[in-house]
Parts: sequence; C-alpha cells; structure tokens
Amino acid sequence: AQKVTQAQTEISVVEKEDVTLDCVYETRDTTYYLFWYKQPPSGELVFLIRRNSFDEQNEISGRYSWNFQKSTSSFNFTITASQVVDSAVYFCALSEAPGYSTLTFGKGTMLLVSP
Amino acid sequence: SQTIHQWPATLVQPVGSPLSLECTVEGTSNPNLYWYRQAAGRGLQLLFYSIGIDQISSEVPQNLSASRPQDRQFILSSKKLLLSDSGFYLCAWSVLGTGKAFFGQGTRLTVV
Repeated sequence: AQKVTQAQTEISVVEKEDVTLDCVYETRDTTYYLFWYKQPPSGELVFLIRRNSFDEQNEISGRYSWNFQKSTSSFNFTITASQVVDSAVYFCALSEAPGYSTLTFGKGTMLLVSP
Repeated sequence: SQTIHQWPATLVQPVGSPLSLECTVEGTSNPNLYWYRQAAGRGLQLLFYSIGIDQISSEVPQNLSASRPQDRQFILSSKKLLLSDSGFYLCAWSVLGTGKAFFGQGTRLTVV
C-alpha cells in the first residue's frame, strides 16, 4: 500500500524567509510519480511539479525548488524568499507509474506567510 | 485547451436527502476521471475513478456512488446523505499513465 506523510501540519513564516515543506513516502512500486499541489483558500488544487522515480535530479523553478532523495524516500519542497501569496495548503502526493493515475495524498501542510 | 467544470460550488443538504454532483471536462477525449473528498483537517481521499464510459472503480465503501454516462461527464450521487458525507468534493481528470491530474474548483457539501 502507498502512504504519504507530511509531518508538518502548519508552518508560519514572515515574508522573505525561506521555508521547507517535508514529504516522506512509502510504496512497493519500483516506478512511481511524486507530486506537489498547492491549494489556495479558493480550494482548487494547483499542480506544481511531477517527478519520476528514476529521476533524482533536483529541480528549481523560480523561487520553488524540490529535493528528491530516493534513499530516504523523501521529496521536500523549498520556497525561497516566501511571499504572502504563497500562503496555502500544500499537498505531496504519490501515484504508481504507469497506472490509472490515482493519487495518494499526504494530509497537507498549511503555510502561513505574514507580511 | 482543456477545462474542467464542477458544480455546484456550495451545497447545504439535510440528512437523508439525495445528492448529485456533476463534473464535465472539455477539450480532451477519453480522460481518466476521479472523485476525491477532503474532510476537515485531512488530506484528499480517492473515492472513485473511471477509465471509460460506465467503467467505475470504487476505492472506499461508503454511502456514495458514481456514474459516467458520457465520455467527459462524471457524476457523484447518494440516495440518502449522512452527516459524515460533509466535506469538500473535488473532481479531476488525467491522461492515462501520466499521473498528472487536473482538478476542478470543488464542491463544499454540508449535511445538516
């Protein structure tokens, strides 16, 4: 069975601080996808990134970066120089690959960025 | 471009009443379709997924059912709502094998 753990329930930072959201996963699949989604107050889930299990290269997109470490089954997400607009709930998720693209989500981390 | 529509946005229903939530996708053919539920303080839980018309897989036994009468239409139903059915319901679509899902804006259901 698949499992995703986001141990941080809520994080509060002040604008311009860097913040890292942790994600640990469990799966028996040898190939899988990992995701991060953002859920702003409006409720809609916004796709941020997908990683393949065989690609451990870290990725940077603007102020966002992701650190995938297969050895520790972790897929952490860092926001550099956080902004108020980054305030949201962030979900880490896992799906088998290939497959029916069904996602197993963590419980989410609420990030609060204050001015 | 592909879009996903989900309605209504908000719904308040009494216990024991029926439910019908609708989701439609535009701009793509034969999508995989999903219903997820987000209970208060919890992550998202997969309820149903469908890989084709009238092909529904249920992940969690419960008071709900799903149907896919057309290629790009996915409906979540209940004959009699329970208090525990309250939550935020999200419809999503994806292309088979890509893993990447696109979500609708959600329906906030409150059963009173």
